[in-house]
Amino acid sequence: AQTVTQSQPEMSVQEAETVTLSCTYDTSENNYYLFWYKQPPSRQMILVIRQEAYKQQNATENRFSVNFQKAAKSFSLKISDSQLGDTAMYFCAFFRAGGTSYGKLTFGQGTILTVHP
Amino acid sequence: DAGITQSPRHKVTETGTPVTLRCHQTENHRYMYWYRQDPGHGLRLIHYSYGVKDTDKGEVSDGYSVSRSKTEDFLLTLESATSSQTSVYFCAISHGTPYSNQPQHFGDGTRLSIL
Repeated sequence: AQTVTQSQPEMSVQEAETVTLSCTYDTSENNYYLFWYKQPPSRQMILVIRQEAYKQQNATENRFSVNFQKAAKSFSLKISDSQLGDTAMYFCAFFRAGGTSYGKLTFGQGTILTVHP
Repeated sequence: DAGITQSPRHKVTETGTPVTLRCHQTENHRYMYWYRQDPGHGLRLIHYSYGVKDTDKGEVSDGYSVSRSKTEDFLLTLESATSSQTSVYFCAISHGTPYSNQPQHFGDGTRLSIL
């Protein structure tokens, strides 16, 4: 079974600064995907970024980038130029590829990020 | 936005009563999921479906049952609700194959309070 750990229950950052959210996971699988989801106060779950384990290049989506360290089983999210709208709960999620996985996600506990003006 | 509708959005009920939550999708996606969200636990999978009448248990399935008689509808039933089932429930859908990185898309959640 896979486990995902987010060790920072809460983080805060000043507007326009950079913040990094940590995520570690435990798996014996070699083929998997990792995701970061954002949940603002509206309760919606919004996909922020995804990473395929077979890709060495770190994924980037505008102000959001990841640092994927496969050997260390680490998948951190960096938010650059933080904006007030980035205030949300952030979840790291793991998806084991393969026919018997059925696309099931395993989530971390979440990190509440507050961006201060 | 993916066409996922959860109903009801909020519900308050009493211990011991049956409760059914509905997830309706207009995307014709094969895979559907029910999660619950609790503080300190993130989202945990309750049940999932990989086709009409094809369902299986997730990690926290005790006390819950599901049914999927049509592609578009996935029902979650609490046969006899308990206070420990007070939570926010999310439905999700995915059209990707198990080898795809296609993400799940989530409904807006149902806040269920059991008194």
